Amino acid sequence: GEDVEQSLFLSVREGDSSVINCTYTDSSSTYLYWYKQEPGAGLQLLTYIFSNMDMKQDQRLTVLLNKKDKHLSLRIADTQTGDSAIYFCAESIRGSQGNLIFGKGTKLSVKP
Amino acid sequence: KAGVTQTPRYLIKTRGQQVTLSCSPISGHRSVSWYQQTPGQGLQFLFEYFSETQRNKGNFPGRFSGRQFSNSRSEMNVSTLELGDSALYLCASSFGAHEETQYFGPGTRLLVL
Repeated sequence: GEDVEQSLFLSVREGDSSVINCTYTDSSSTYLYWYKQEPGAGLQLLTYIFSNMDMKQDQRLTVLLNKKDKHLSLRIADTQTGDSAIYFCAESIRGSQGNLIFGKGTKLSVKP
Repeated sequence: KAGVTQTPRYLIKTRGQQVTLSCSPISGHRSVSWYQQTPGQGLQFLFEYFSETQRNKGNFPGRFSGRQFSNSRSEMNVSTLELGDSALYLCASSFGAHEETQYFGPGTRLLVL
């Protein structure tokens, strides 16, 4: 079945690195995504990784994918107070057009 | 390029009424997906349209319906509103040929009293 799991909360100090983890169950994932949601807003696409890649780096963001363990992580370097938000991991399943399976989201709090 | 737009942004309705929400995708995108976001259930897929055809549907009752127009704009309709329909309704667009990256609008927040 399809399921995406994330821890619900993460608290870090400004300037530290944040690592948000996600596990998924469906082996027919094609792409895996990270979205950010600020209060009262929609979802902002942060980055994504194709399922046959191991790593992707995009400025302060690093995505690591362990296909064997079905584990995805998002590392935010030099975390800022503006990074405080809810981060969602999502997977797309081959053949299931338009349907992203989302985790419940990880609320990141950045303390000054 | 303009992003995904949704109207209205906020809506208050009473039980039993019906509501129509609108979504305009990014120019050139032909796929529109709809999601419901609630604190309890999180983000749940409603349906997806491509070239005016519904290609995929989530596990929601028939009170939830949608359509897509020839310009790729989409509407979703909820009839006979229930209190539990209170949620943030998000629309996302993509090019649509395969499982492409989805870009989300700001959402419509619906409150059912």
